[in-house]
Amino acid sequence: EAGVAQSPRYKIIEKRQSVAFWCNPISGHATLYWYQQILGQGPKLLIQFQNNGVVDDSQLPKDRFSAERLKGVDSTLKIQPAKLEDSAVYLCASSLTFWGRQGNQPQHFGDGTRLSIL
Amino acid sequence: GQQLNQSPQSMFIQEGEDVSMNCTSSSIFNTWLWYKQEPGEGPVLLIALYKAGELTSNGRLTAQFGITRKDSFLNISASIPSDVGIYFCAGQLIGNQFYFGTGTSLTVIP
Repeated sequence: EAGVAQSPRYKIIEKRQSVAFWCNPISGHATLYWYQQILGQGPKLLIQFQNNGVVDDSQLPKDRFSAERLKGVDSTLKIQPAKLEDSAVYLCASSLTFWGRQGNQPQHFGDGTRLSIL
Repeated sequence: GQQLNQSPQSMFIQEGEDVSMNCTSSSIFNTWLWYKQEPGEGPVLLIALYKAGELTSNGRLTAQFGITRKDSFLNISASIPSDVGIYFCAGQLIGNQFYFGTGTSLTVIP
């Protein structure tokens, strides 16, 4: 099966500019996640969708970050305006559902978008 | 948020050696996952664990869900150069988000 697709792979912008990332999850996966991974650290959850509804956005800096999944498939993550500390890899992941008969469903990751802020 | 501590932080081993790494948490979890991440790529799922005490293998990899539900272990037997990468653990309570560890960087010397 095709994996999680993300674009662009790389993005360089100046601080205070805006940027958007796109994610297409694995076909049939109801749950979609956006993570921020700062160099040398593990991924940190920004927002989780179940179909087109938000399940958890407690760690999303809502003053500058926004995300949507309007039709319950593709998703976009936006940063406006960007700060220097937003330099990171933004990973999208998807899973069949939030949890199933086995318990929590494991996530499958895309290759991420590497964002550099100048 | 939850903090998962992985140790060791980095490992340099000779090809053919066995590797052990672990992950500990201050909270209990219902699920433990182990991922491998290579430069420029996203994490790839290696093993998923769902029950305390569970021992699961995937080829040369073996992972265990700790009895206390606060830790997990990953072993790699007979390491090869392509095992190089960063290994992350992730823990989750049902209905809650996954929390990732700090990562163990593995270097295999041919």
